[in-house]
Amino acid sequence: GAVVSQHPSRVICKSGTSVKIECRSLDFQATTMFWYRQFPKKSLMLMATSNEGSKATYEQGVEKDKFLINHASLTLSTLTVTSAHPEDSSFYICSARDPQGLEQYFGPGTRLTVT
Amino acid sequence: GEDVEQSLFLSVREGDSSVINCTYTDSSSTYLYWYKQEPGAGLQLLTYIFSNMDMKQDQRLTVLLNKKDKHLSLRIADTQTGDSAIYFCAEKRGGYGGATNKLIFGTGTLLAVQP
Repeated sequence: GAVVSQHPSRVICKSGTSVKIECRSLDFQATTMFWYRQFPKKSLMLMATSNEGSKATYEQGVEKDKFLINHASLTLSTLTVTSAHPEDSSFYICSARDPQGLEQYFGPGTRLTVT
Repeated sequence: GEDVEQSLFLSVREGDSSVINCTYTDSSSTYLYWYKQEPGAGLQLLTYIFSNMDMKQDQRLTVLLNKKDKHLSLRIADTQTGDSAIYFCAEKRGGYGGATNKLIFGTGTLLAVQP
C-alpha cells in the first residue's frame, strides 16, 4: 500500500512552546489529509480535515487557533500545536486520502509529551 | 448516538478463530473498514467492505455485514500470536468520494492471542 510518513516520531517539549508535526504522502498526491488524536487505550478522534490550498475543516470542539494546520503542497500537511500544555500530550496520527477517495493511508504517529 | 461501538477485549488461543464485532450508527455509510494497530504504531488497513455487500473474504479474514442491524464483524481464521493488536472498525460518512466524507472510528478491541 501507499506510504505516509510523519516527523518527528516522538517529541518532548516544555509547556508554553509550540511544536510542528509533519505528515508526508510519499508515493501519491493527496489533496486531502486528516489529523487524528489518540488518547491512551482510546479510539482515534478526528481533529480536522486538511485540504490542499485551502483552510482546514475542524471538528467540533477542536480549537483552530491552538492546532494550526497548513497543507501547502499535495504531499505535505503540517500540524502545529501552539502554546502546548501537558493536557496536549497525546499520540497524533495523520492520514492521506488516495486520489480515488476510497482509502486512507495512515502515518506511523507522533508521540507528543509536554512537560 | 454518534458512537461506533466495539467490545473492549477478546482473548483467544493460537490456532482458534477470532471474531471481533462492531456496531455502527449511520445507515448511509458507504464503506466500512477494519484497521489493525500494533503498540506505538499507526493504523494498518486490513480490509474494507462496500455497503451493498454482505460478506467479503480475503485470505484469513472474513468480513460480515448486516446492514439492517448496522452490525459488522471481522473473523480471523487460524489466529496467530502476531495477530495480537488493537482492531478498529470505521465507517465512512459523507457520501461517495465527496470532499466532506470522513472516517469515524470504533472504540477498538484489544485482541490477545495466547500461545
